[in-house]
Amino acid sequence: GQQLNQSPQSMFIQEGEDVSMNCTSSSIFNTWLWYKQDPGEGPVLLIALYKAGELTSNGRLTAQFGITRKDSFLNISASIPSDVGIYFCAGQLSGSSNTGKLIFGQGTTLQVKP
Amino acid sequence: GAGVSQSPSNKVTEKGKDVELRCDPISGHTALYWYRQSLGQGLEFLIYFQGNSAPDKSGLPSDRFSAERTGGSVSTLTIQRTQQEDSAVYLCASSFKTGGFGYTFGSGTRLTVV
Repeated sequence: GQQLNQSPQSMFIQEGEDVSMNCTSSSIFNTWLWYKQDPGEGPVLLIALYKAGELTSNGRLTAQFGITRKDSFLNISASIPSDVGIYFCAGQLSGSSNTGKLIFGQGTTLQVKP
Repeated sequence: GAGVSQSPSNKVTEKGKDVELRCDPISGHTALYWYRQSLGQGLEFLIYFQGNSAPDKSGLPSDRFSAERTGGSVSTLTIQRTQQEDSAVYLCASSFKTGGFGYTFGSGTRLTVV
């Protein structure tokens, strides 16, 4: 089935450093979403991308929808301890807009050292 | 309620027993989704309900899994004759409409089959 390849699998960084993670797929997506999951909680939406090439920011977060519609990246600037968690990319396949069914990447676990 | 409520938050069951997981979506949300998250993995789509339409059951892994949504609100996911590989966190999400845009997840039910 369709898969999203998310990398890196985990990151351990120093507070204040910038972070970058990305997702790629062999399939075309019409929507890319980035979620963050804290322990014991469900994922929370961070950024939604709807157009190829779109670059969107949300505070210290920046995400882009690849021009080919097969990839996306998420950057976090000046990381802080509360950025710790698991970050998931998710996409909605082109042609599946009537269901809202998402395909998720396997997640990037971020740890921040104070 | 203010968010998506799932119960129980944790469930330990013996192999072979049946379990029922409950989801109370946000009031007024017409779309409801069930996902499964295995340890260290991304989210796997199970089933989707939208209003009075027939549910999309394409993600259910076997005929031991079933779900219903009564009155367009509360949903119950039932797993019959549980197996150890069913151990996972089962997440429910709801949204105003289809499209996968920013739907809200509950905190999940952690199921452990022993």
